[in-house]
Amino acid sequence: ETGVTQTPRHLVMGMTNKKSLKCEQHLGHNAMYWYKQSAKKPLELMFVYNFKEQTENNSVPSRFSPECPNSSHLFLHLHTLQPEDSALYLCASSRGQGTGNQPQHFGDGTRLSIL
Amino acid sequence: GQQVMQIPQYQHVQEGEDFTTYCNSSTTLSNIQWYKQRPGGHPVFLIQLVKSGEVKKQKRLTFQFGEAKKNSSLHITATQTTDVGTYFCAANAGGTSYGKLTFGQGTILTVHP
Repeated sequence: ETGVTQTPRHLVMGMTNKKSLKCEQHLGHNAMYWYKQSAKKPLELMFVYNFKEQTENNSVPSRFSPECPNSSHLFLHLHTLQPEDSALYLCASSRGQGTGNQPQHFGDGTRLSIL
Repeated sequence: GQQVMQIPQYQHVQEGEDFTTYCNSSTTLSNIQWYKQRPGGHPVFLIQLVKSGEVKKQKRLTFQFGEAKKNSSLHITATQTTDVGTYFCAANAGGTSYGKLTFGQGTILTVHP
């Protein structure tokens, strides 16, 4: 139990589908993150939210659309994905800007496969 | 953008042998974090180093931050099978880049009993 819950754990979708990944943290944190982890590549930071405001978009294609309605929830909306988008998508949270750089707590991830 | 090189990519050791992974950046870092990811699991925070030349220990694990704050290492003494996993360094440049961690490629450690 990490305090960061991601759903679904596995997702298979076609390139024309629209789906959403969900992340919820129970740690009282104010910063949340989306990462992409592909085989044989470093973890890639996608988005950072601090106190519900997006503070980082790491040149992510527009087919990935994040949403952070509050400090505890983070979504990643997916549409018209490509086969190379198949990867493990990890959500993380930390205490938030203004508290110094803090450890990030990761969820178990969503394994995404694009057909 | 910032790049972090981590070596080696793979390390196979016999149980009881030592293990070291190295992390290098071309730019001066504000701080560096280390994470461990077990097979099939998620990254778990191990430690953060902030000061130049800092050395921290956690049981059999020793973490170092270089004097110039451009490199770091993780050393495990007398490895055990429970040490199996991928070890990542994650660097932060500081300033306005709060939370923006650049991860190294990771070192995959296997330990043979």
